[in-house]
Amino acid sequence: QQQVKQSPQSLIVQKGGIPIINCAYENTAFDYFPWYQQFPGKGPALLIAIRPDVSEKKEGRFTISFNKSAKQFSLHIMDSQPGDSATYFCAASIRDSGAGSYQLTFGKGTKLSVIP
Amino acid sequence: DGGITQSPKYLFRKEGQNVTLSCEQNLNHDAMYWYRQDPGQGLRLIYYSQIVNDFQKGDIAEGYSVSREKKESFPLTVTSAQKNPTAFYLCASRATSGAQETQYFGPGTRLLVL
Repeated sequence: QQQVKQSPQSLIVQKGGIPIINCAYENTAFDYFPWYQQFPGKGPALLIAIRPDVSEKKEGRFTISFNKSAKQFSLHIMDSQPGDSATYFCAASIRDSGAGSYQLTFGKGTKLSVIP
Repeated sequence: DGGITQSPKYLFRKEGQNVTLSCEQNLNHDAMYWYRQDPGQGLRLIYYSQIVNDFQKGDIAEGYSVSREKKESFPLTVTSAQKNPTAFYLCASRATSGAQETQYFGPGTRLLVL
């Protein structure tokens, strides 16, 4: 079964710190790696995504680092703020060769708390 | 104002009862998805549909059914066969043109058992 393993389950940092969330995958056919942010009682929203042909992608304070050989990718949040407190999910997808569909496989999530 | 709407926000089910969760999108997306979210479990795929009148089972389809009669709508029925239905249910959609992978999520429906 395709899996994406995410760690840690929870993370507490002080304002201004740099939380790092890690994910590892098994299937080398995965070709798209998004991160989603979810606030309590809301649906997840796409934060940032990367393809395996680049090693890093930065959007604002959010950076994805990607290590293809290790089959790992991570999310870094620079200058974290209390408003970043949320649950973060990594995911991976593979194009289904039969139906041409993209199915996302999600990690189990990391609950981030940024304390003032 | 484009997006995905889910209703109701909270739904209560009695034992032996079938309940239907609504999902509507006005993004003109062909693909739609239903996920179940349990604490500490991430999101698990229940059903997905790439096009009207077609849908496929996901990883945890047992006890659920769907229909896709219109492009905009993808309702999910939680049947009495689903013995542990208490969860947060999320609907998502995706544009299939241009190989777009991004899935956009609705606000969710929380299902509780009485």
